[in-house]
Amino acid sequence: DIVLTQSPGTLSLSPGERATLSCRASQSIRGISLAWYQQKPGQAPRLLIYGASSRATGIPDRFSGSGSGTDFTLTISRLEPEDFAVYSCQQYDSSPPTFGQGTKVEIK
Amino acid sequence: QVQLVQSGAELKKPGASVKVSCRASGYIFTDYYIHWVRQARGQGLEWVGWIYPERGDTYYAEKFRGRVTMTRDTSITTAYMELSGLTSDDTAVYYCARGSWSSGYWGQGTLVTVSS
Repeated sequence: DIVLTQSPGTLSLSPGERATLSCRASQSIRGISLAWYQQKPGQAPRLLIYGASSRATGIPDRFSGSGSGTDFTLTISRLEPEDFAVYSCQQYDSSPPTFGQGTKVEIK
Repeated sequence: QVQLVQSGAELKKPGASVKVSCRASGYIFTDYYIHWVRQARGQGLEWVGWIYPERGDTYYAEKFRGRVTMTRDTSITTAYMELSGLTSDDTAVYYCARGSWSSGYWGQGTLVTVSS
C-alpha cells in the first residue's frame, strides 16, 4: 500500500497569510492521481484538488496544488476565515486508495 | 444534481452487525463505483472497499475481508455496506463516495457507535 505522510501536523497561521501543506508518498504516484480534501467538524470531506493540480468545481483560485512523483503540495495563497480546517491528501493511482493523516490549519 | 444520502446513526453492541445504506440520485447509478470510507473520531480517512453497481462486483480492503459485505439494489439506486463482528475499534463515521474520485461526491456520513 502507498503510505501518504502529511506535514506539518498542525499549521498555526493568521487570516491573510499563505499556507503551504506537504504530502509525501512512500512510492511514486503515476498519473498524478492525487487529491486534496478539506474537512470541517461534522462534515464530509470536500474535494479541493484532483489530478494533483486541477481545482474541483467551485473551488476558489486561492487554492492550488502542485507536485509529481512522491512530493505534492497544497497552497492556500491568502487564508480566509472559512479556510481553517483539516486538509487531507489521497492517492487513487493504485489499489487500495489511501489517505494522509491530515494537516490541521488553525488560527494563530 | 448528484446526491448520496446515507441512513441514520446506529448504536450497536460488540459482536453485532450493522448495515448502512447510501441512496444515489442525479446520475446513472450503474455507471459509477461506490466506495465506502470510514473515519474514527480525530483520525484520518480509511478506505473500506468498493462495489460496482452494474454487476455487483466488489473489492474490499484486506483489513476488512471476511467481515464486510457490500451489496446494491439497482431498482432503488441504493448501495449497502454491512460490517459484522463489531468491536469498539469500528466506532466511526462511515461515508459512501461515488467513483471516480475526481468528481468529489460524498454522502453525509453515518455514525456507527459500538458500545456495550
